[in-house]
Amino acid sequence: DAGVIQSPRHEVTEMGQEVTLRCKPISGHDYLFWYRQTMMRGLELLIYFNNNVPIDDSGMPEDRFSAKMPNASFSTLKIQPSEPRDSAVYFCASSSRGLTRNTGELFFGEGSRLTVL
Amino acid sequence: GDSVTQMEGPVTLSEEAFLTINCTYTATGYPSLFWYVQYPGEGLQLLLKATKADDKGSNKGFEATYRKETTSFHLEKGSVQVSDSAVYFCALSLGAGGTSYGKLTFGQGTILTVHP
Repeated sequence: DAGVIQSPRHEVTEMGQEVTLRCKPISGHDYLFWYRQTMMRGLELLIYFNNNVPIDDSGMPEDRFSAKMPNASFSTLKIQPSEPRDSAVYFCASSSRGLTRNTGELFFGEGSRLTVL
Repeated sequence: GDSVTQMEGPVTLSEEAFLTINCTYTATGYPSLFWYVQYPGEGLQLLLKATKADDKGSNKGFEATYRKETTSFHLEKGSVQVSDSAVYFCALSLGAGGTSYGKLTFGQGTILTVHP
């Protein structure tokens, strides 16, 4: 089975531009998470979904960030407008309560490295 | 709130040396504990896990024991290889139920470099 698929792997953009990151979770997983990784802050949970519904978005840094999950196989994280401090690696992860028996194990994608100039 | 504290790195070892990376946690409930590994340019992969006190997780020669009395989950390997060079993250999850399911709280990560 394919793992979590993220695109693009690398994105370089200029300040003020809109950025859209995409994620395809593992088929059958009902939880999807967006994490951000920076040297200064480490790994931060931004938002997560259960059955396509946002459950906790308290980690979303500000209104410039938004995330959607229109169906079970696709999610987007959008930054508009982007700023240099948004430069980071953004990870998508998925999980399933049934498969993992409530242990909370997550399966991560390879990440999208964003550079905002 | 819940938190994970890892020993600060980076850690540099020679091949075949013994490895210990310390991890302690603070949690309001009974968490599951994890070690994830991130190889250069890749995403995080689960290395091992333990879901209750005194459980020992093991994989690829790595081990960690869930110590409730000391709230620790130290990672060990008896003989490291160059291919073990990576970033290691300790994490906890409060597991099932409510809004906490699947939310991993990560430590800061420890960079391990193994020289031939």
